[in-house]
Amino acid sequence: GQQVMQIPQYQHVQEGEDFTTYCNSSTTLSNIQWYKQRPGGHPVFLIQLVKSGEVKKQKRLTFQFGEAKKNSSLHITATQTTDVGTYFCAVPVSGGSYIPTFGRGTSLIVHP
Amino acid sequence: DGGITQSPKYLFRKEGQNVTLSCEQNLNHDAMYWYRQDPGQGLRLIYYSQIVNDFQKGDIAEGYSVSREKKESFPLTVTSAQKNPTAFYLCASSMLAGGRTQYFGPGTRLLVL
Repeated sequence: GQQVMQIPQYQHVQEGEDFTTYCNSSTTLSNIQWYKQRPGGHPVFLIQLVKSGEVKKQKRLTFQFGEAKKNSSLHITATQTTDVGTYFCAVPVSGGSYIPTFGRGTSLIVHP
Repeated sequence: DGGITQSPKYLFRKEGQNVTLSCEQNLNHDAMYWYRQDPGQGLRLIYYSQIVNDFQKGDIAEGYSVSREKKESFPLTVTSAQKNPTAFYLCASSMLAGGRTQYFGPGTRLLVL
């Protein structure tokens, strides 16, 4: 079953507005990964967070790992049409196999 | 170029027919995975393999089979036992360590006629 809850499922924004997606787990995570899938494409790895309270930035994207390592967020500042796609978080399956389990994703729609 | 290739890009299956989806990687990764993607469902793990000649079931293995005879190849067969096979199938590979970052192929869209 699902190991992580991702919200919202969809988000419409006007170009230039900010966007945030959240992943929440009931258990402490060893790491969390984020991926982006463009429409019609395949998921592409963005980043991995490992440390409690970690914050990493990639241009307009800011990734954060919660202090308790149970939640994470991806924030995009001043969205552009190139940001359109579905953003997935992935967490290791509990039990030690470390196979990533993916959230259901947040689809971002940017209106020009 | 290093990467993962999947073929075909589109595949049509008739009722009662088995079809095989190809996945090849030249990244020298030990682990390979098959995911199924349906709208609004995210990615669900079908099978994975961490070493040649060994593989494990994922969350939705029923109606599917795999083989791993070579490190580079991990074909997926969608059998007639899979009653709802229409979906987007993604193959991925990773190293065994370092968080298992997934490198995905371009995917195969399977449609039942």
